[in-house]
Amino acid sequence: AQSVSQHNHHVILSEAASLELGCNYSYGGTVNLFWYVQYPGQHLQLLLKYFSGDPLVKGIKGFEAEFIKSKFSFNLRKPSVQWSDTAEYFCAVGANNNDMRFGAGTRLTVKP
Amino acid sequence: KAGVTQTPRYLIKTRGQQVTLSCSPISGHRSVSWYQQTPGQGLQFLFEYFSETQRNKGNFPGRFSGRQFSNSRSEMNVSTLELGDSALYLCASSPAGGSGRAIYNEQFFGPGTRLTVL
Repeated sequence: AQSVSQHNHHVILSEAASLELGCNYSYGGTVNLFWYVQYPGQHLQLLLKYFSGDPLVKGIKGFEAEFIKSKFSFNLRKPSVQWSDTAEYFCAVGANNNDMRFGAGTRLTVKP
Repeated sequence: KAGVTQTPRYLIKTRGQQVTLSCSPISGHRSVSWYQQTPGQGLQFLFEYFSETQRNKGNFPGRFSGRQFSNSRSEMNVSTLELGDSALYLCASSPAGGSGRAIYNEQFFGPGTRLTVL
């Protein structure tokens, strides 16, 4: 089965700083890639997804991610974070037959 | 459409007991997956059911089991509870189809069941 690693456990930024969260996966076949976000006290929700086509995908709230196949990476970016982006972010990799694996998560704290 | 619902929302058990958690997927979704969420471990995949069959399985001991009914509702059972089983158990449904490239991987999560084992 595939595995997912997220490099940062906790990231602390000031408002307006740029964000990049790393995600690498290990799998030999075709994958679908996702970033999910969990705001405090809320359900996990989809931020963005990559299935095929343009490797630069845009999601909600100004987030984007770039799929670099040669590096098995799918890093999440946002040019200017806001206090409301404080949340936990999970990278996920889906293989055939809906086999989905998540990373350990990165907690983002944005200081006002 | 109503979202994924999970019952109960909170549960307190003691070591050695067993527990059953329930999940109702979004209407029309045939795939249900279960995850264990603990601080620092992220979401660990337990298993996925599709059309009443376990299709994918994570690396959990046999104490963790599940099933899916013909209406796609799913239950998860943990027997002989241990302290380390304390966690948030999340259910997610997906409109996944049958075999082939998984264009339906997107998962919709429920609020979870918070299990505390004393």
